[in-house]
Amino acid sequence: AQSVAQPEDQVNVAEGNPLTVKCTYSVSGNPYLFWYVQYPNRGLQFLLKYITGDNLVKGSYGFEAEFNKSQTSFHLKKPSALVSDSALYFCAVRDEGSGYSTLTFGKGTMLLVSP
Amino acid sequence: NAGVTQTPKFQVLKTGQSMTLQCAQDMNHNSMYWYRQDPGMGLRLIYYSASEGTTDKGEVPNGYNVSRLNKREFSLRLESAAPSQTSVYFCASSEKAFYYNEQFFGPGTRLTVL
Repeated sequence: AQSVAQPEDQVNVAEGNPLTVKCTYSVSGNPYLFWYVQYPNRGLQFLLKYITGDNLVKGSYGFEAEFNKSQTSFHLKKPSALVSDSALYFCAVRDEGSGYSTLTFGKGTMLLVSP
Repeated sequence: NAGVTQTPKFQVLKTGQSMTLQCAQDMNHNSMYWYRQDPGMGLRLIYYSASEGTTDKGEVPNGYNVSRLNKREFSLRLESAAPSQTSVYFCASSEKAFYYNEQFFGPGTRLTVL
């Protein structure tokens, strides 16, 4: 069975500082990994995904994520946080070898960027 | 393109009442999904439709039914609403269900069952 964990309920960072939102996963085959962002009272928006290839994936709004197979992690990063980055972030995984399965989402991490 | 649209945006029901949540997408996607979002629980899949004409249960299907009306539309029905179904409901779509395509989400329906 596939699963994903976001160990931090909330991450606080000052504007201009780098940010990291953590995600670890468990799959039996190869993972497809995704990050989504949810702004207040809105649906989820796709940020980036890892399917195969380069371990560093670049996405929307200056975000990037690093796939680490040995640590089964896919942490979201940004070099310089903006107040407007404050939102709820979800990591999601699908096991490439699992046949008929859809995405499994983490519980979400609230990112708060202070001015 | 409107993307994924959902109606209504808000709804208040009394226990035992029924209602249907509507979802439509204009991206010609094959697959559609219904999720519920509860605080601290993330998103949980209720039902999905991998392609027109098929529907399957997700993680939390009890108390719900779905209909894939055509390629564009996927509705979620609560036959007899319960307070435990108070939640925010999201519809999503993607090109393929069992693949690496990202999902596109609607704005959500906030449902309260009294």
